[in-house]
Amino acid sequence: EAEVAQSPRYKITEKSQAVAFWCDPISGHATLYWYRQILGQGPELLVQFQDESVVDDSQLPKDRFSAERLKGVDSTLKIQPAELGDSAMYLCASSLRGIETQYFGPGTRLLVL
Amino acid sequence: GQQLNQSPQSMFIQEGEDVSMNCTSSSIFNTWLWYKQEPGEGPVLLIALYKAGELTSNGRLTAQFGITRKDSFLNISASIPSDVGIYFCAPRVNTDKLIFGTGTRLQVFP
Repeated sequence: EAEVAQSPRYKITEKSQAVAFWCDPISGHATLYWYRQILGQGPELLVQFQDESVVDDSQLPKDRFSAERLKGVDSTLKIQPAELGDSAMYLCASSLRGIETQYFGPGTRLLVL
Repeated sequence: GQQLNQSPQSMFIQEGEDVSMNCTSSSIFNTWLWYKQEPGEGPVLLIALYKAGELTSNGRLTAQFGITRKDSFLNISASIPSDVGIYFCAPRVNTDKLIFGTGTRLQVFP
């Protein structure tokens, strides 16, 4: 069964360092989402792509976060510099088209020391 | 923004018991989804509801889309240990955006 792949699964970094997360959506899925999930809360959308274009990044802290999906397939989310409050689970999801079911990857758990 | 209240926050039950949880909002939605998240994993879709008043089942799970379109309920019958996890409601805000509740953490004891 096709799955959303994410790496790394875990990342420990020191504050002020740069970190990057990678996501490979289900093949053929045009829409890709990055969510942040703080411990004890539900996922919150950071950025949404339709193919290679950003359609919503209103909740992305653009002073330190960036996301790209250059060829409309896999995607990278970067944080530079990381801050203590960035410690969270970063989830990637994809859907065939925006209105279809979103399938989530296993997430990358980030700990900033 | 939309206010979403999910309750209860956590439940500790014995295997075989039935479980009920709900989400309420001050906003109207056209779609309600229910996801389950196990430790260290991403959420997995359990049930999708598309019409006010709709009642849908998936095995031992039953969910309802409230008639006012502002709430939804999820019931689990005859709970088993593998039901352990966090259950999230996730109504669809517009055509493709979801917002997630704070989750109901379910623990099942044998």
